[in-house]
Amino acid sequence: NAGVTQTPKFQVLKTGQSMTLQCAQDMNHNSMYWYRQDPGMGLRLIYYSASEGTTDKGEVPNGYNVSRLNKREFSLRLESAAPSQTSVYFCASREGGIYNEQFFGPGTRLTVL
Amino acid sequence: QKEVEQNSGPLSVPEGAIASLNCTYSDRVSQSFFWYRQYSGKSPELIMSIYSNGDKEDGRFTAQLNKASQYVSLLIRDSQPSDSATYLCAVWGLRAGNMLTFGGGTRLMVKP
Repeated sequence: NAGVTQTPKFQVLKTGQSMTLQCAQDMNHNSMYWYRQDPGMGLRLIYYSASEGTTDKGEVPNGYNVSRLNKREFSLRLESAAPSQTSVYFCASREGGIYNEQFFGPGTRLTVL
Repeated sequence: QKEVEQNSGPLSVPEGAIASLNCTYSDRVSQSFFWYRQYSGKSPELIMSIYSNGDKEDGRFTAQLNKASQYVSLLIRDSQPSDSATYLCAVWGLRAGNMLTFGGGTRLMVKP
């Protein structure tokens, strides 16, 4: 049982390049989330998927797109990377309901030059 | 006003002391509350959850909830240097949809 996995762990991009961050969970959770974490800013929600086939914007969606490929996988795409997107990105998953824990992946550290 | 507020710290306590971490939230209809610990360079991990008013104890950790005051706290007894981390408060029910709203975190430093 791997929990939530993310690839890659580290990535350096040049301004204008594109890339996709991959996330998968093996806990059969309905909901999945993408966050970014910047120093002094806490966790900010980029996009989430309440269930397979649905996606919704979070607090900071500009510059990002997502795909919920199936129940296990939720990817985050940067179409044209900007230095302001330098951050640590966390994927998370959670079962529905008020009592359930949210599980986080190990994170992707992205630098955009 | 932020939806979930925490003092960013750092909160510095000596080894063996009680560390008290506080969190306030903006809406009385919020239903469940979670404390996550995040070590530097790592992802957040759950240490406590609480749903009802009062105290909930788990080892050296006690979570306290007061819904009328919109306040949740985490006490760490007999603090150890290994407790040095950022502690994130998360609230379920502040926003529509199945999501947690996180505070900015409090950095705790336990000095030997």
